[in-house]
Amino acid sequence: EVQLVESGGGLIQPGGSLRLSCAASGFTVSSNYMSWVRQAPGKGLEWVSVIYSGGSTYYAESVKGRFTISRDNSKNTLYLQMNSLRAEDTAVYYCARLYSGYDFPFDYWGQGTLVTVSS
Amino acid sequence: SSELTQDPAVSVALGQTVRITCQGDSLRSYYASWYQQKPGQAPVLVIYGKNNRPSGIPDRFSGSSSGNTASLTITGAQAEDEADYYCNSRDSSGNHGFGGGTKLTVL
Repeated sequence: EVQLVESGGGLIQPGGSLRLSCAASGFTVSSNYMSWVRQAPGKGLEWVSVIYSGGSTYYAESVKGRFTISRDNSKNTLYLQMNSLRAEDTAVYYCARLYSGYDFPFDYWGQGTLVTVSS
Repeated sequence: SSELTQDPAVSVALGQTVRITCQGDSLRSYYASWYQQKPGQAPVLVIYGKNNRPSGIPDRFSGSSSGNTASLTITGAQAEDEADYYCNSRDSSGNHGFGGGTKLTVL
């Protein structure tokens, strides 16, 4: 059974850093495209970043240069390193697996972890 | 990032048919996928590709596309279909953006 479990969220001051983790089971992270998607309170879904199986990474303009997506193959875990955090980064952060076909829909999602950026 | 446009809200009478649309240039080249999200829950994939449903998604959900517009149709809407619906598409630059979402009310 495919499972994604996020952790690492919490309250952080503006300008601070946080690392989110997404532990995967039932499949191999490194063989799949993996992504982070966030949702600010009361708002819609916003794609944040993706890492392809070959290692290429892409970011939304809103986080480019501040966030870094990575994975640890030995732990089968996806990460999101978030630096220079701003109030507008406050959101529930979901990790998701992309299905390898049909232009890569997000076929499995975690339950999300809440990041609150506030002083 | 890919720009996808959705109507903010749509309503449908119980048992009737409703279509939710998504517009964007990337849809001319790439498939849309559709997600249902209920309050306090993670999104769930309901349609992907030309018109594919993941296991467990009722067959009243269907998808179509023409030009720069993708559509999600619910034929015979049920009370449990009341939710937010989001479209998504990749683009040639590696972005995988979402539409703004459509709030579906079942009357």
